[in-house]
Amino acid sequence: AQKVTQAQTEISVVEKEDVTLDCVYETRDTTYYLFWYKQPPSGELVFLIRRNSFDEQNEISGRYSWNFQKSTSSFNFTITASQVVDSAVYFCALSSTFGNEKLTFGTGTRLTIIP
Amino acid sequence: DVKVTQSSRYLVKRTGEKVFLECVQDMDHENMFWYRQDPGLGLRLIYFSYDVKMKEKGDIPEGYSVSREKKERFSLILESASTNQTSMYLCASSPVGGVSFEQYFGPGTRLTVT
Repeated sequence: AQKVTQAQTEISVVEKEDVTLDCVYETRDTTYYLFWYKQPPSGELVFLIRRNSFDEQNEISGRYSWNFQKSTSSFNFTITASQVVDSAVYFCALSSTFGNEKLTFGTGTRLTIIP
Repeated sequence: DVKVTQSSRYLVKRTGEKVFLECVQDMDHENMFWYRQDPGLGLRLIYFSYDVKMKEKGDIPEGYSVSREKKERFSLILESASTNQTSMYLCASSPVGGVSFEQYFGPGTRLTVT
């Protein structure tokens, strides 16, 4: 069975601070995908990134960066110089590459950026 | 742009009513999904469909059924709504296979059962 754990339920930081959202996963699959989604107050989940289990390179996209470490089964997400618009609920998710393409989601981390 | 639409943003129903939640996607995606989102529980998969008239149970199918008569439309049905089905319902779609696996989500329907 697959499992995604986001131990941080809520985080608040002051604007311009850096913040890291943790994600730990469990799977028996040798190949899989990991995702991060953002859910702003409007409610619609927005795709942020997909990472293949074969690719352990870290990725940076503007103020966002992702640290994938297979050895610790973690896929952490860092926002640098946070902004109020980053306030949202962030979900980490896991998908097997075999069979059906279901996503297993973590419970989410509510991030509040304080102006 | 991929667009997934849901018939209602907010819905209030009475206990025992039959409730239909509709989802339509315009990108010819084979896969469609229904989730419910509850505080502290994240998103949990109710049902999904990988083709017209095909469906599979997700993690929490009890009390729900689905219908997919056309590729673009996936309906979630609450046969007899109960208060514990008060929740946010999210629909998603994705293309089959390839390197994607990314799901595209609708805006959600917040259902209240009284």
